[in-house]
Amino acid sequence: GAVVSQHPSRVICKSGTSVKIECRSLDFQATTMFWYRQFPKQSLMLMATSNEGSKATYEQGVEKDKFLINHASLTLSTLTVTSAHPEDSSFYICSATGGAGEGTEAFFGQGTRLTVV
Amino acid sequence: GQNIDQPTEMTATEGAIVQINCTYQTSGFNGLFWYQQHAGEAPTFLSYNVLDGLEEKGRFSSFLSRSKGYSYLLLKELQMKDSASYLCAVPFSGGYNKLIFGAGTRLAVHP
Repeated sequence: GAVVSQHPSRVICKSGTSVKIECRSLDFQATTMFWYRQFPKQSLMLMATSNEGSKATYEQGVEKDKFLINHASLTLSTLTVTSAHPEDSSFYICSATGGAGEGTEAFFGQGTRLTVV
Repeated sequence: GQNIDQPTEMTATEGAIVQINCTYQTSGFNGLFWYQQHAGEAPTFLSYNVLDGLEEKGRFSSFLSRSKGYSYLLLKELQMKDSASYLCAVPFSGGYNKLIFGAGTRLAVHP
């Protein structure tokens, strides 16, 4: 299958600072990327849909000014957690797809464990 | 709205067979995915069903009944490495890869 690389895998930051997470599709062009958040022992919750060259679409309850998403190229989307607080500590995972058809598999990055202290 | 239900935890013995059920309600249907997720790792794709019936892929099989809003994942010849969470997911209405996930079923395989 295709490879999606997410970086960093782990990050610890101080409360009030910003953290950028990168999601790259290594061997295909990702027209759409999705950002999910997963709290311990819970399932993945979709935060936003990132489309190359256009503004991201955020799910209800997700603050767009706090979670900045940029999808400047067909192989890279970034999620910036601004003014991070301890409650933002979570596992953030991106997925990418090059197609929109039925059964088109989305490929997941390795995830980023964010800890805000 | 859309909703997915699956058991929280299951245990099984190495070498046995286990069935993980998933029920869903969606406003439209664009198929159902099963993913495996080990602790602290990203999900990995297991299967995709869009038509009724059983799809077999090695030790793993997935079944779908659209009329009942029901799917199951069948794991045969269980191995210790199968201990993981198994996530049932369906696309949001109007999309294929924008997924809504169930809470996941944590499977513990014992010797």
